[in-house]
Amino acid sequence: NAGVTQTPKFRILKIGQSMTLQCAQDMNHNYMYWYRQDPGMGLKLIYYSVGAGITDKGEVPNGYNVSRSTTEDFPLRLELAAPSQTSVYFCASSYSALAGEDTQYFGPGTRLTVL
Amino acid sequence: KNQVEQSPQSLIILEGKNCTLQCNYTVSPFSNLRWYKQDTGRGPVSLTIMTFSENTKSNGRYTATLDADTKQSSLHITASQLSDSASYICVVSAKSNTGKLIFGQGTTLQVKP
Repeated sequence: NAGVTQTPKFRILKIGQSMTLQCAQDMNHNYMYWYRQDPGMGLKLIYYSVGAGITDKGEVPNGYNVSRSTTEDFPLRLELAAPSQTSVYFCASSYSALAGEDTQYFGPGTRLTVL
Repeated sequence: KNQVEQSPQSLIILEGKNCTLQCNYTVSPFSNLRWYKQDTGRGPVSLTIMTFSENTKSNGRYTATLDADTKQSSLHITASQLSDSASYICVVSAKSNTGKLIFGQGTTLQVKP
């Protein structure tokens, strides 16, 4: 199993540009998450999904959109990039939210810089 | 408000020495507490998980403790190695149907030869 994969690994955007961060998992996990990690800060939840076709906002959703058309894929869309979105983005997945099944497995991250 | 606070923010130790990292949390209702290790440039990886009824859990040279009464946890690293250099993140989950986690800001550990 590849686990959780993310592309690209690095990206530089100009203010106002758009892009999609890709995330895929091959563990048949129902739950998927997007986080951002700013220097010296804890991970903050952007969006999450409890299954295909179901998404919901996390702590910091403004400026982002997601979709979940399949169990495997959970792309994150930035529509109008702003310098405040410069961060490292992590995708994660878990089998369920039940105790013992809720360990989240993280991808390697995407480092995004907006200039 | 659900929060997780870790201390110290950073730590430097010599190879072979032991160290202890601290975590205080205010999360309710509590489900479980995990310690994650995050190597530079990588995603976090789960080290240990403890539920309310567990007060200690080991994973090799890593031993986590949990005091649910005082809402404190610690991660003890024994006989540190250079490969232990990483950020260690305390993560608490509340009972819910969403799987949301509350992350501490992490302790950055540097092990020097």
